[in-house]
Amino acid sequence: QVQLVESGGGVVQPGRSLRLSCAASGFTFNHYAIHWVRQAPGKGLEWVAVISHDDSKKEYVDSVKGRFTISRDNSRNTVYLEMRSLSAGDTAVYYCARDRDYGLGSYYFAHWGQGTLVTVSS
Amino acid sequence: DIQMTQSPSSVSASVGDRVTITCRASQGIRNWLAWYQQKPGKAPKLLIYAASSLQSGVPSRFSASESGTDFALTITSLQPEDFATYYCQQANRFPWTFGQGTKVEIK
Repeated sequence: QVQLVESGGGVVQPGRSLRLSCAASGFTFNHYAIHWVRQAPGKGLEWVAVISHDDSKKEYVDSVKGRFTISRDNSRNTVYLEMRSLSAGDTAVYYCARDRDYGLGSYYFAHWGQGTLVTVSS
Repeated sequence: DIQMTQSPSSVSASVGDRVTITCRASQGIRNWLAWYQQKPGKAPKLLIYAASSLQSGVPSRFSASESGTDFALTITSLQPEDFATYYCQQANRFPWTFGQGTKVEIK
């Protein structure tokens, strides 16, 4: 079955960087767009970034543009989220999620990982 | 950005009750709307996509409808496992945005 496993979270000081990974299995990885969605403690969901199935398209929410970079390695079935210049406002559980539909996608999040917690604190 | 406004923010209900949650988009999104269920400490789960299509494996007591920029999720005959927080999400235009959530609590 579809499985997504995030890793790389932890406690990081403001201004520092962190890279999250999302390892996928159970489906043809290079057929699907992958998203990152975050949830600050006790708050709602915020979509962060998406990378298309073929790596041709990337989109970001304005609050992370220029600081976060999404990438994928289709040979390793893994998506990455490189996060720079972190601030307290980036503290959240970060989920990776697979698009519901293959190819161009539908931008519905049909499969989710368990999440990884990023805490930005001095 | 498209704003998604859910109401109510919380609702208390009993097992067997019918519950309806609404979501209003700040502009037209056609039928590009999804509903998710999230339980504490867990990832969200897709329930409904394309405004009213039931995701595979989701019980038929969940249904949804649309009317212009207003959308509704209905749970008929609430079950113990349905107590959770529900979010709507628009998929019409970047950035994809969620409603603030509706918590369904046990009365």
